[in-house]
Amino acid sequence: GAGVSQSPSNKVTEKGKDVELRCDPISGHTALYWYRQRLGQGLEFLIYFQGNSAPDKSGLPSDRFSAERTGESVSTLTIQRTQQEDSAVYLCASSFGQGGNYGYTFGSGTRLTVV
Amino acid sequence: KQEVTQIPAALSVPEGENLVLNCSFTDSAIYNLQWFRQDPGKGLTSLLLIQSSQREQTSGRLNASLDKSSGRSTLYIAASQPGDSATYLCAVSPYDYKLSFGAGTTVTVRA
Repeated sequence: GAGVSQSPSNKVTEKGKDVELRCDPISGHTALYWYRQRLGQGLEFLIYFQGNSAPDKSGLPSDRFSAERTGESVSTLTIQRTQQEDSAVYLCASSFGQGGNYGYTFGSGTRLTVV
Repeated sequence: KQEVTQIPAALSVPEGENLVLNCSFTDSAIYNLQWFRQDPGKGLTSLLLIQSSQREQTSGRLNASLDKSSGRSTLYIAASQPGDSATYLCAVSPYDYKLSFGAGTTVTVRA
């Protein structure tokens, strides 16, 4: 597609439920990133995928968070047993090559609200 | 650990004034620096990308400079318009690809 597509755009879930967020990167972009933005705060790095290499999961805040990516296509971020502190906007970005040689393109995000 | 600071945190100007937004970073070993715009409830829109070997980039009314050795970048927006009201984020990309973001400068342009 023309841009990075994320779905759903908004998600309200009850505490304790599992949620799955989806990111469809720009075709041909080998690198994909997930970031989290809590209200009034800066973006936090969560996870990075590059081609078929092992992902960098160093930013995932707990073992309730996991992410998958199939080859160089769609990625899903799963949060199990959601907590209220998980409420945030989850942003996905993709880039051509490692290190953002040509910059990063962000999706419009998924706003997650845990009630 | 890379620390990115943006000053001021908020800025309100009348329409037509020029805007100057500052970004500083603690580790000069960056691969590139990117300025983004974020509208309320929306994702990030890329404005300008400056490679570490470059000194500045321009796009329309926007100009961004980079002084890598001193760890500073400045975004200039000429002749501001109400549509420029948004939060502007500075992000640096280190050699290991993780973007480090500043907290942003929220700009309000009054008509």
